Amino acid sequence: DQQVKQNSPSLSVQEGRISILNCDYTNSMFDYFLWYKKYPAEGPTFLISISSIKDKNEDGRFTVFLNKSAKHLSLHIVPSQPGDSAVYFCAASAMRGGADGLTFGKGTHLIIQP
Amino acid sequence: EAGVAQSPRYKIIEKRQSVAFWCNPISGHATLYWYQQILGQGPKLLIQFQNNGVVDDSQLPKDRFSAERLKGVDSTLKIQPAKLEDSAVYLCASSLERVNTEAFFGQGTRLTVV
Repeated sequence: DQQVKQNSPSLSVQEGRISILNCDYTNSMFDYFLWYKKYPAEGPTFLISISSIKDKNEDGRFTVFLNKSAKHLSLHIVPSQPGDSAVYFCAASAMRGGADGLTFGKGTHLIIQP
Repeated sequence: EAGVAQSPRYKIIEKRQSVAFWCNPISGHATLYWYQQILGQGPKLLIQFQNNGVVDDSQLPKDRFSAERLKGVDSTLKIQPAKLEDSAVYLCASSLERVNTEAFFGQGTRLTVV
């Protein structure tokens, strides 16, 4: 049973446009959400996070939105750049539930077209 | 700041053989995680240490997998005996604290069981 779902295995976006990556979760105990970026043959690198007490967090070109009632979060990248081409993983943690290891989605492969 | 170090990078073994992976976390990071990433999936938490104590090993197949973190620094993950379905990338990660901080990942060890 997948608790974190990324339903788009891949996404192609033109350079300069906005990339929107989506993530849904089912476990209501999740209270901290993160996005990781992964290049081939490298480990995932942290991108941005959001606590469940917020609905938006912004860091430069990256913004994460959280809709708790819908159990949905999204990552917006604007403007998209060629170096953004990578696999993006959504991850969640349930600290109040006592399990702070991350639960990951399957990832979305973002391809930025020149 | 040095990152999370893992070795070896690649390992090929025959089924029923044993294998061990090593991880050196970022200096000062008390929390250490081992994740298993099967091709096409997101990383799955196997075990989490806080210093040298186990916080969560609920998803570790304890009949064949074992892990230790002596002295609360380096960690080893062992598989004995290996099965074909253990073929995956094994990622080690560390974080400064357990609460609402991002985990930093190593490059991983790609294990192929033939």
